Amino acid sequence: QQQVKQSPQSLIVQKGGISIINCAYENTAFDYFPWYQQFPGKGPALLIAIRPDVSEKKEGRFTISFNKSAKQFSLHIMDSQPGDSATYFCAASGYALNFGKGTSLLVTP
Amino acid sequence: DVKVTQSSRYLVKRTGEKVFLECVQDMDHENMFWYRQDPGLGLRLIYFSYDVKMKEKGDIPEGYSVSREKKERFSLILESASTNQTSMYLCASSLPGINEKLFFGSGTQLSVL
Repeated sequence: QQQVKQSPQSLIVQKGGISIINCAYENTAFDYFPWYQQFPGKGPALLIAIRPDVSEKKEGRFTISFNKSAKQFSLHIMDSQPGDSATYFCAASGYALNFGKGTSLLVTP
Repeated sequence: DVKVTQSSRYLVKRTGEKVFLECVQDMDHENMFWYRQDPGLGLRLIYFSYDVKMKEKGDIPEGYSVSREKKERFSLILESASTNQTSMYLCASSLPGINEKLFFGSGTQLSVL
């Protein structure tokens, strides 16, 4: 049973545009929400993370928005670049990390 | 930088074989994890370990076992490989605490024929 639901499955954005990936969870005991980025042939790597006492966290062009009451959080990539093309996974922390199914992002030149 | 090394990048095995996937980390991390990654299913936790000789089942442990005899090494064992275990297997490690950053290896693509 998927504890973290992620959408969309794939996303195509033009260079300079905003990429938005959404995730939802059910378990209110989750207390840490990271995003991982994976390039082809590599393992996932931590991109940015947020705790539920904060509604937004920004690191460079990457922002997590967190809505505790709706049990939803999202990743925004501003000024998307071709180098951002990768698979993105949201996750939520229970006894271990529970990952979403992933979003394949393609940023076109 | 933390390095998590998985012994094989690609592996081809036959149905019924016993398969060992090895993972070594060089940063003295207490926690180690095995995930499998399948298209459209994301990353699913198979087993994890918070200490030497300690193991806990994840979400999909059936058909797998693990061994952690030394802190730096965590092995995934497929007792009798089946075709539905064809997948990308990812090992990860982290410091103590469930909210710590996971460091992943590059993965082993296992094909069971």
